[in-house]
Amino acid sequence: DAGITQSPRHKVTETGTPVTLRCHQTENHRYMYWYRQDPGHGLRLIHYSYGVKDTDKGEVSDGYSVSRSKTEDFLLTLESATSSQTSVYFCAISEWGETQYFGPGTRLLVL
Amino acid sequence: GQQLNQSPQSMFIQEGEDVSMNCTSSSIFNTWLWYKQDPGEGPVLLIALYKAGELTSNGRLTAQFGITRKDSFLNISASIPSDVGIYFCAGQLNRETSGSRLTFGEGTQLTVNP
Repeated sequence: DAGITQSPRHKVTETGTPVTLRCHQTENHRYMYWYRQDPGHGLRLIHYSYGVKDTDKGEVSDGYSVSRSKTEDFLLTLESATSSQTSVYFCAISEWGETQYFGPGTRLLVL
Repeated sequence: GQQLNQSPQSMFIQEGEDVSMNCTSSSIFNTWLWYKQDPGEGPVLLIALYKAGELTSNGRLTAQFGITRKDSFLNISASIPSDVGIYFCAGQLNRETSGSRLTFGEGTQLTVNP
């Protein structure tokens, strides 16, 4: 299994509070991704990174920001969480030209 | 944006039966991938297809990359209870461009009755 961990694995928070999810990899892969998974939508890309300090938006980036200050860590921040951001969040990694491998996921509930 | 239509949405089968699911797209993809997701875990790659017309097997799983590059199917033969899970197709336009972005289907929920 690819060395990907996500923290926390579960989180309950209130509307309006900031939330940061962390993805950590031990594979030294260049690319890292954040997806959200919701019933009826499959997995949708939020943001991705193609190197340290290099990030770009995915298809559902509104309300989310990311940062990557080290190769191994990719942070996803919800500046002010809303109930529509209740979801399961997955991190994935890949090397250039290779397929993506997924982490175990973080379940986020925004009340 | 690009969309993948995956069908069926769910399947209920008896152990030992064969299973077939497919994905179609309005756009061309250069890579098709099939993932399986077990409850409470992240998707795991099953099969990757890189060439139109390619037929690839992984044990009891067989997948094909459609000639038009707009579709793919996955077959599971002689299903067993551990095949239960959600199966996702994913299309990738170009492996070598920045981000290697994937577009996912909505998934097929497979239930296998012993």
